[in-house]
Amino acid sequence: EIVMTQSPATLSVSPGERATLSCRASQSVSSNLAWYQQKPGQAPRLLIYGASTRATGIPARFSGSGSGTEFTLTISSLQSEDFAIYYCQQYNNWPPLIFGGGTKVEIK
Amino acid sequence: QVQLQESGPGLVKSSETLSLTCTVSGGSISTYYWSWIRQPPGKGLEWIGYIFYSGSTNYNPSLKSRVTMSIDTSKNHFSLRLTSVTAADTAVYYCARAWIDPVVWDLWGQGTLVTVSS
Repeated sequence: EIVMTQSPATLSVSPGERATLSCRASQSVSSNLAWYQQKPGQAPRLLIYGASTRATGIPARFSGSGSGTEFTLTISSLQSEDFAIYYCQQYNNWPPLIFGGGTKVEIK
Repeated sequence: QVQLQESGPGLVKSSETLSLTCTVSGGSISTYYWSWIRQPPGKGLEWIGYIFYSGSTNYNPSLKSRVTMSIDTSKNHFSLRLTSVTAADTAVYYCARAWIDPVVWDLWGQGTLVTVSS
């Protein structure tokens, strides 16, 4: 079973600053990695798939990179609406379908 | 635009069957994969399974013995049945659409909280 580890668990960032979120897989998932954003009381929203492809309608300030076991989600300039929990999900080798534990991005 | 809406009882008794329906509006249910995903309060996401518009299914092995999904293309909806529920099945249940990959979901319903009571 592939284990997905996200770090940090909580990231405190000021509006306008850059946020860098990490996701590590216990074995290679190639580029089959997605990122989701979830705000309180809302469903998750797909941000990135294929490790680096932005989903439809996602602002350019969101970017994804990495392959194999190390992945990064970068938010170039945090806006107020970006404070949320971010999950990574591998879809290279399943079942089981594994999500990371999430990174909470909070206002500093 | 296409929207998904979950419906069903918000309270189910322990050992009984949870039944939910997801209605797709603004677009066709054909050509996509349709999943159910759940999230216990304060916890992470768990994929339950998907059904293709053709009716083929793929379930999470950990839930497979208790899960049945069905689809009605004439009514543009698909459904979930989860039998023998326990308190551990208390969660927000989401329906979601996938096309990039069967398990990459680009469109989600708002979710519905199902509580299992003893």
